[in-house]
Amino acid sequence: DTAVSQTPKYLVTQMGNDKSIKCEQNLGHDTMYWYKQDSKKFLKIMFSYNNKELIINETVPNRFSPKSPDKAHLNLHINSLELGDSAVYFCASSQGRRNQPQHFGDGTRLSIL
Amino acid sequence: GNSVTQMEGPVTLSEEAFLTINCTYTATGYPSLFWYVQYPGEGLQLLLKATKADDKGSNKGFEATYRKETTSFHLEKGSVQVSDSAVYFCALMQGGSEKLVFGKGTKLTVNP
Repeated sequence: DTAVSQTPKYLVTQMGNDKSIKCEQNLGHDTMYWYKQDSKKFLKIMFSYNNKELIINETVPNRFSPKSPDKAHLNLHINSLELGDSAVYFCASSQGRRNQPQHFGDGTRLSIL
Repeated sequence: GNSVTQMEGPVTLSEEAFLTINCTYTATGYPSLFWYVQYPGEGLQLLLKATKADDKGSNKGFEATYRKETTSFHLEKGSVQVSDSAVYFCALMQGGSEKLVFGKGTKLTVNP
């Protein structure tokens, strides 16, 4: 069983569209994250939820809206997609105690035409 | 703010060569330190970690020692294999925060 799974794996769409990426973890963790990896492989956190509550919200355009229906799911909705949104988006989860490692999904490669 | 600096890649080695990837950090207090590895087309996997000064993390032949005096966490392996080809990320987590701060990654290619 995949521990942290994201769908879709690839997403190709046009500028201006709205799209969602879904993430589910079956590890029983209480904290989930979204990271963005740019074309130079640089990884930066976007959001984090603990037990469905937003705890980290980095400087991200408000076109990006995370939603956590329960602690096993954290979805990312993006409105009015722009060229600069092209990246690989990674979901991760951890048990929210200090120093616990984060487990990553395989990523969603988003390409904006 | 907190930051991680790791050596620029790419790094290309022959099989069985010795590997060092340098990593230094800037943080207040006592962060936990991590190395993650990303194989082609995959997500990140935790390779090793250390949570306090002088701790040594080790896994799959890789080692890194938390050096507070030099604010470093260099990754080493005595004899690399072709299967070690990947991108390696150094990261820190500040105490009391769940936020991982990553370095820019170092791409390693090991040739047979």
